[in-house]
Amino acid sequence: NAGVTQTPKFQVLKTGQSMTLQCAQDMNHNSMYWYRQDPGMGLRLIYYSASEGTTDKGEVPNGYNVSRLNKREFSLRLESAAPSQTSVYFCASSPGQRYGYTFGSGTRLTVV
Amino acid sequence: DQQVKQNSPSLSVQEGRISILNCDYTNSMFDYFLWYKKYPAEGPTFLISISSIKDKNEDGRFTVFLNKSAKHLSLHIVPSQPGDSAVYFCAATGGTSYGKLTFGQGTILTVHP
Repeated sequence: NAGVTQTPKFQVLKTGQSMTLQCAQDMNHNSMYWYRQDPGMGLRLIYYSASEGTTDKGEVPNGYNVSRLNKREFSLRLESAAPSQTSVYFCASSPGQRYGYTFGSGTRLTVV
Repeated sequence: DQQVKQNSPSLSVQEGRISILNCDYTNSMFDYFLWYKKYPAEGPTFLISISSIKDKNEDGRFTVFLNKSAKHLSLHIVPSQPGDSAVYFCAATGGTSYGKLTFGQGTILTVHP
C-alpha cells in the first residue's frame, strides 16, 4: 500500500518563484490536510479539505492556495515563495472525524 | 495562542526505564487526543489515542493517561527501547475543531542503550 504520496521530496526555490506540492492518497479517505512543520512550532494546519469539492483555511493559510482535484489528490500551491515559507510540508488524509491521520513522508522546501 | 503545549523540548532516558511525555491543552472543547511518533525524514505515524470518556488507554508498552480537570495528558512508555528514540507529538480535536488535529510542539525522546 502506498498510503499518502507526496512529491517532490526536496525543492529549492528562489524568492518570488511559484510551485505546486502534490499529494495523493489511495485509501479512499474523505478528508485531506496540509501541515507545515517548523522548529519549536510543531505541526500547523495550512489548509484542509473535509471532502471532495470543499476546502477551508487552517491556522496559517496566508501565501498558499489549495486544490482538491478529486477524492485522491490535494495540491498546495505557493504563488510567490518567500523565505518565511521555508519549512517541511506534510500532507495527510483521514477517513473522517475521530480518526487519526495518515501522513506522507514530507516535502522539504527551502526558499532562498 | 498555543492550544496544545508540550513544554519539554527533549527527554533522555536509559533503556529499560520508563519514559513519560507530557502534554497540556487549553481548549475545553477538545474531546479526543492522539500521540504521534516521528522519525527523521519520515512523516508522523499514529501511536495511540484516548477519548475524553476514558482516563487511560493501553497498547502494549504504551499507555496514555488523561486528566480532564487538569487538561493534561501523558504518554508512558515502559520499558523504553533505543528504537523509541524519535519526536513525539500530542494532538487534540473536538468542538469547532472537529476533524482537524491541533498539534503540540513535539518532544524529542532519546533512549540510551
